[in-house]
Amino acid sequence: AQSVTQLGSHVSVSEGALVLLRCNYSSSVPPYLFWYVQYPNQGLQLLLKYTSAATLVKGINGFEAEFKKSETSFHLTKPSAHMSDAAEYFCAVRRGSSNTGKLIFGQGTTLQVKP
Amino acid sequence: DAGVTQSPTHLIKTRGQHVTLRCSPISGHKSVSWYQQVLGQGPQFIFQYYEKEERGRGNFPDRFSARQFPNYSSELNVNALLLGDSALYLCASSLRTSDRLNTEAFFGQGTRLTVV
Repeated sequence: AQSVTQLGSHVSVSEGALVLLRCNYSSSVPPYLFWYVQYPNQGLQLLLKYTSAATLVKGINGFEAEFKKSETSFHLTKPSAHMSDAAEYFCAVRRGSSNTGKLIFGQGTTLQVKP
Repeated sequence: DAGVTQSPTHLIKTRGQHVTLRCSPISGHKSVSWYQQVLGQGPQFIFQYYEKEERGRGNFPDRFSARQFPNYSSELNVNALLLGDSALYLCASSLRTSDRLNTEAFFGQGTRLTVV
């Protein structure tokens, strides 16, 4: 079975500070991993994805994530937070060999950016 | 280019009623998935349809059903609504079902269902 754990339901950073959102996964087969962002009253927007190519993945809006198999982690980072980054962030996993597109999401992390 | 469109955007229903939610995928996408997002939680997978056939089902009761039409649009139906069905219902479309060349799902804005 697959699962995702996001450590920290709320993260608060100052504008310009490093953003680090943590995600650990559990999967018995090589996974595909995703980070999505959700702004209030909106759907999900894909930030980046890992699909067994490069372990360091760069996404939109300056975000990146590193796949670490030994740590079963896929943490999301951004060097310098912007006020517009305030949103809900979801880590998700999918079986790479699955014939369905079923995504399993974590509980989400709310990112607050203080001026 | 139009993204994934869902209708209605908001809906209020009474316990015991039936509801139908609609989704139009991105042009050219043949797979549609439905997710339920309860306030404060991550989305939970309900169904996936591809080429009008059910390809996956999550852990939801039989009150939940869906179908996909020849134009690849989809409906999610929920019977005998409960208060606990109040949630944001998200539709996602992708080119095909899952494979190494098709890994991205595009989400709509969702339908906010409130059951009173």
